[in-house]
Amino acid sequence: QKEVEQNSGPLSVPEGAIASLNCTYSDRGSQSFFWYRQYSGKSPELIMSIYSNGDKEDGRFTAQLNKASQYVSLLIRDSQPSDSATYLCAVTPGTYKYIFGTGTRLKVLA
Amino acid sequence: SAVISQKPSRDICQRGTSLTIQCQVDSQVTMMFWYRQQPGQSLTLIATANQGSEATYESGFVIDKFPISRPNLTFSTLTVSNMSPEDSSIYLCSVEGRQDSSSYEQYFGPGTRLTVT
Repeated sequence: QKEVEQNSGPLSVPEGAIASLNCTYSDRGSQSFFWYRQYSGKSPELIMSIYSNGDKEDGRFTAQLNKASQYVSLLIRDSQPSDSATYLCAVTPGTYKYIFGTGTRLKVLA
Repeated sequence: SAVISQKPSRDICQRGTSLTIQCQVDSQVTMMFWYRQQPGQSLTLIATANQGSEATYESGFVIDKFPISRPNLTFSTLTVSNMSPEDSSIYLCSVEGRQDSSSYEQYFGPGTRLTVT
């Protein structure tokens, strides 16, 4: 079982719709969870971090964490073509230890 | 968030040679990280580097192949030694920014795209 699992996609959504990206992790001791956006040929850019169960909202982005189910998700409201990118989920099972998923490729169709 | 620069941004090297990648941060940081991202793959941690001590390597990565220096709190280098085409990858430097004792985030440099022929 992979430590951090994401559906590779592509996930295609029409412009203006909600994009829902999911991530599951195997280490129950993980404390911190992150979503990164990576455009083709660019480095990952942090868009959301979440540390406790529940929802965290930042603009059009909402991160949701459920530690009991070992599940973290990212919702993107009012999706724009500029949101088309690969979204990487990362978890920290320990100090200075980051495990990244393989990423979900999102395509927002104009 | 910290501003991170890397040099070179890209390079094409011949097999058997070595390349040193530099990473500079605009603020002092305790830990620096080096990752590799192979084409179409996710990020794989190579090692973590703390100033004044030996780097800590992940399974599958060894110091002879990827020597790392960390001479001060704002700078680090990664050398890819005796390169082969399998080393063709993007190499990323990152730092961890701690907001308080329980929350911290990782930020990445722009990366170095290495092609080995």
